[in-house]
Amino acid sequence: AQSVAQPEDQVNVAEGNPLTVKCTYSVSGNPYLFWYVQYPNRGLQFLLKYITGDNLVKGSYGFEAEFNKSQTSFHLKKPSALVSDSALYFCAVRDTTGGFKTIFGAGTRLFVKA
Amino acid sequence: GAGVSQTPSNKVTEKGKYVELRCDPISGHTALYWYRQSLGQGPEFLIYFQGTGAADDSGLPNDRFFAVRPEGSVSTLKIQRTERGDSAVYLCASSSIGGSPNEQFFGPGTRLTVL
Repeated sequence: AQSVAQPEDQVNVAEGNPLTVKCTYSVSGNPYLFWYVQYPNRGLQFLLKYITGDNLVKGSYGFEAEFNKSQTSFHLKKPSALVSDSALYFCAVRDTTGGFKTIFGAGTRLFVKA
Repeated sequence: GAGVSQTPSNKVTEKGKYVELRCDPISGHTALYWYRQSLGQGPEFLIYFQGTGAADDSGLPNDRFFAVRPEGSVSTLKIQRTERGDSAVYLCASSSIGGSPNEQFFGPGTRLTVL
């Protein structure tokens, strides 16, 4: 069965410092992996995805994520955090072996302090 | 252009009643998803449409839940005999090509409260 784990409920970082939001997954085949962000009073927005190819993928707002197959991880990163990055981040996975079910993690709240 | 819209934004009903939640996807998007999100949780997959047909309904929790998309655009999620445990935010998302793992565009959600 597919699953996604976001081990941290909240991540706190100072503005200008690098940030990492962790995600690990479990699928029976190869994964499609996604990150979405939810700002207060706004809908979920797509940040980036890994389908195949280069393990480092770049997305919106300066975010990037690294796919690590051996560790079954897809951590979200940004070199320099902004206060405006404060939001709720969701990792999601879809199995490539069939079906269209996308499984989301429980979310990690990122708080960037000025 | 217009994004995904959902109506109503809020729905309060009594246990045992029937409710319908509507989703208007982005024009031209063939793939449509329904999720529900409980407080403190990520979205939980319910059903996926490719065009008019439900290609994957494996997330529907029981036969009280049903969804349609008769013309391949607007979709309605129908819940019969609502229970208090159905209270959640119901999210709709659409994407341009369902078979490929493209990004999903989410609507603002309908907050359902069952008293």
